[in-house]
Amino acid sequence: GEEVAQTPKHLVRGEGQKAKLYCAPIKGHSYVFWYQQVLKNEFKFLISFQNENVFDETGMPKERFSAKCLPNSPCSLEIQATKLEDSAVYFCASSPSQGRRGYTFGSGTRLTVV
Amino acid sequence: AQTVTQSQPEMSVQEAETVTLSCTYDTSESNYYLFWYKQPPSRQMILVIRQEAYKQQNATENRFSVNFQKAAKSFSLKISDSQLGDTAMYFCAFMKRPGGGSNYKLTFGKGTLLTVNP
Repeated sequence: GEEVAQTPKHLVRGEGQKAKLYCAPIKGHSYVFWYQQVLKNEFKFLISFQNENVFDETGMPKERFSAKCLPNSPCSLEIQATKLEDSAVYFCASSPSQGRRGYTFGSGTRLTVV
Repeated sequence: AQTVTQSQPEMSVQEAETVTLSCTYDTSESNYYLFWYKQPPSRQMILVIRQEAYKQQNATENRFSVNFQKAAKSFSLKISDSQLGDTAMYFCAFMKRPGGGSNYKLTFGKGTLLTVNP
């Protein structure tokens, strides 16, 4: 399809629980990006993939966050042992090549940790 | 590292009027891309316009145009004939030109909330 599909739209987790977010990029797009948008609207880059390979993971809090993009499956972002500060909207975006024309974003997953 | 600054947290404009949103950036790169994204209350991020730094001509997309001043590192967005549907957060973003070690990462400003009043 021509949209980046993110599921679920909303997710509520108790502190310490696991959260898993999914993203289906546009077919044919080689690059996938994950961003975290916190309450003050600031975007923080988390990780990017080129096909199933991690391209840049400099933004990932590695002790609790992990992500995968496997062939023929939606990409996923998993947070182990969620903390209150993980509450945010998580955006996935995809791009056909190198992003020079800008990404196409999904509609985001709002994670609330209580 | 690149930084993007949007100095206007909020702006408002009357319907049908023109408004300009400011964006400045700091980089040592000579080749890069600049973008404006719109985020309405639905929170969907929508690409409004893009500019390639090596092109001197300012980009235009219908009612949206930019004023790109490379030497001043300024990239403002002008919205003409403002419509109620233009009410949204607007984010300016920077990307190093792909290749040569670029990681294709977008660096965003903190956004400007634009309200179009009837």
